Amino acid sequence: DGGITQSPKYLFRKEGQNVTLSCEQNLNHDAMYWYRQDPGQGLRLIYYSQIVNDFQKGDIAEGYSVSREKKESFPLTVTSAQKNPTAFYLCASSQRGQSTDTQYFGPGTRLTVL
Amino acid sequence: GDSVTQMEGPVTLSEEAFLTINCTYTATGYPSLFWYVQYPGEGLQLLLKATKADDKGSNKGFEATYRKETTSFHLEKGSVQVSDSAVYFCALSVRSGGYQKVTFGTGTKLQVIP
Repeated sequence: DGGITQSPKYLFRKEGQNVTLSCEQNLNHDAMYWYRQDPGQGLRLIYYSQIVNDFQKGDIAEGYSVSREKKESFPLTVTSAQKNPTAFYLCASSQRGQSTDTQYFGPGTRLTVL
Repeated sequence: GDSVTQMEGPVTLSEEAFLTINCTYTATGYPSLFWYVQYPGEGLQLLLKATKADDKGSNKGFEATYRKETTSFHLEKGSVQVSDSAVYFCALSVRSGGYQKVTFGTGTKLQVIP
């Protein structure tokens, strides 16, 4: 089945540590996205990538980094510079060029900083 | 900028009751409109979408009509079930700077009691 996978589902980190969240898709989509979700809030865009080896900052990129070396993979690193990293992180993908560019989401990773 | 406003929750209904979740939007250009559903601890699933004025999106008994004159996209279902309990997000999508930018509402929690 085609879809988006994220791992791990739960992640715990000590303050001062970097941590990398995985996102893989087998939908052959060109574009991929990372969002952050906090309780009672909508989704906020961290980074997005439209093609391999290219990515752009979203609304809340500070303290995060990404790479896009392969079409199917878009890992997110939460660095120690991110002041409040505890949140639910969602990865999404979409096919460029379609009129609606509907985004499809993975199951999410819940990050807790201890 | 673009924005989406949803009615605040939680919305509590008895099984088989009629559901309406209001959503209004502000956008430049001609957005596509979406409803996503999120079950506890999971990612967002696309529920339905509409790409132009007067389009009606429908899925699993849910419906929403793109009303340009009132800038609204209200979600309705004639008879809710306990399994419909989830958080519902209204969203709009516009092409911005060569990519499809999605703006989400803050979500409305629906609780259906037997």
